[in-house]
Amino acid sequence: DTAVSQTPKYLVTQMGNDKSIKCEQNLGHDTMYWYKQDSKKFLKIMFSYNNKELIINETVPNRFSPKSPDKAHLNLHINSLELGDSAVYFCASSLWTGSNGANVLTFGAGSRLTVL
Amino acid sequence: KNEVEQSPQNLTAQEGEFITINCSYSVGISALHWLQQHPGGGIVSLFMLSSGKKKHGRLIATINIQEKHSSLHITASHPRDSAVYICATGTYNTDKLIFGTGTRLQVFP
Repeated sequence: DTAVSQTPKYLVTQMGNDKSIKCEQNLGHDTMYWYKQDSKKFLKIMFSYNNKELIINETVPNRFSPKSPDKAHLNLHINSLELGDSAVYFCASSLWTGSNGANVLTFGAGSRLTVL
Repeated sequence: KNEVEQSPQNLTAQEGEFITINCSYSVGISALHWLQQHPGGGIVSLFMLSSGKKKHGRLIATINIQEKHSSLHITASHPRDSAVYICATGTYNTDKLIFGTGTRLQVFP
């Protein structure tokens, strides 16, 4: 009965490969996010979707493509992986109250991506 | 551009001590969030506040809008409080949060 679930939890892959991380929430939320946490533990927004519509696309290389088939799912596909993509990727969801910085986030457990 | 600064970066305490973690920001905000990241990596939202004070169990969050400052207090700290505490600010007209770099707290028995 996990609220926000991400798979896989760990992903080790070679440079140049393409990989996907999946995220699903069962909270009935209408907004989902991808965050990247770097080696210094700094969190940064990548994308957000509200009702399957892209709201935030934060200066992320085109190699990253989010896909939201419905409100409960937001997947992240990464093409041509690079060493610098190694990080922990967190999915989150919220109940949308507007573009007001006041949406309370529920996070998934994170997916640790290591690119060799 | 909003800068979010947290202090201290690292904090150690003995069980039972009163803990204060500070967060300062540079521009007007709509809301301030406090998050907790456990050693296992999971992140939990603790508080979201835009004025005054909120309390949940042994945790208290306060914000002073005029001084652009928020504090997170932990009363009667316990080793299970050991985690990284992160503050993040939200502003109007965007859902993007700006995160601080976190405060690593270790509470020893």
